[in-house]
Amino acid sequence: AQSVAQPEDQVNVAEGNPLTVKCTYSVSGNPYLFWYVQYPNRGLQFLLKYITGDNLVKGSYGFEAEFNKSQTSFHLKKPSALVSDSALYFCAVRDIERDDKIIFGKGTRLHILP
Amino acid sequence: GAVVSQHPSRVICKSGTSVKIECRSLDFQATTMFWYRQFPKQSLMLMATSNEGSKATYEQGVEKDKFLINHASLTLSTLTVTSAHPEDSSFYICSARGGSRYNEQFFGPGTRLTVL
Repeated sequence: AQSVAQPEDQVNVAEGNPLTVKCTYSVSGNPYLFWYVQYPNRGLQFLLKYITGDNLVKGSYGFEAEFNKSQTSFHLKKPSALVSDSALYFCAVRDIERDDKIIFGKGTRLHILP
Repeated sequence: GAVVSQHPSRVICKSGTSVKIECRSLDFQATTMFWYRQFPKQSLMLMATSNEGSKATYEQGVEKDKFLINHASLTLSTLTVTSAHPEDSSFYICSARGGSRYNEQFFGPGTRLTVL
């Protein structure tokens, strides 16, 4: 089955510094990868996705993600963190072996320190 | 983008009662809807998948008699938690895809269920 792993439960970054939230994937065939953000007691907000094309994907709120096939990674990045970026971030994969359902990683809590 | 709504956003009920949660696709026809469950500080776990007019397909470990799913129309799916117990308290999120947006899955805002 397709899966994603987020190795960090929590990431702390000072405001203004670059941030990275890590994600690795395990898929058969071409990966369809996503990043979502969740604010407290809220639903999911879509940030970006990778299907094909450029390895650097730009998304909402200044976020971007780099697809690296050799390292099977899809890390989320932002050049300069804002306090308002503090939230729960989920990496996800479309499981083409299971009716294209989206399967989520465990999530990484991002804390931006003022 | 496509919009998915859920109602209610928050519900509190007594143990033993049944609770119905609605999920609607507002501007597209959702041939497939998904229900996820999220415990505090944890990830979203897929519970079941429903295709319009068909019985839902449940993930391993999810009790189908406990969590009744109906997808009777292309814009509405309902999740009924029957005889709810405190351990059913959770955040339930629905998702939908369909029509020209088949390759995308859109998420509702979630429903917070608290069973006393």
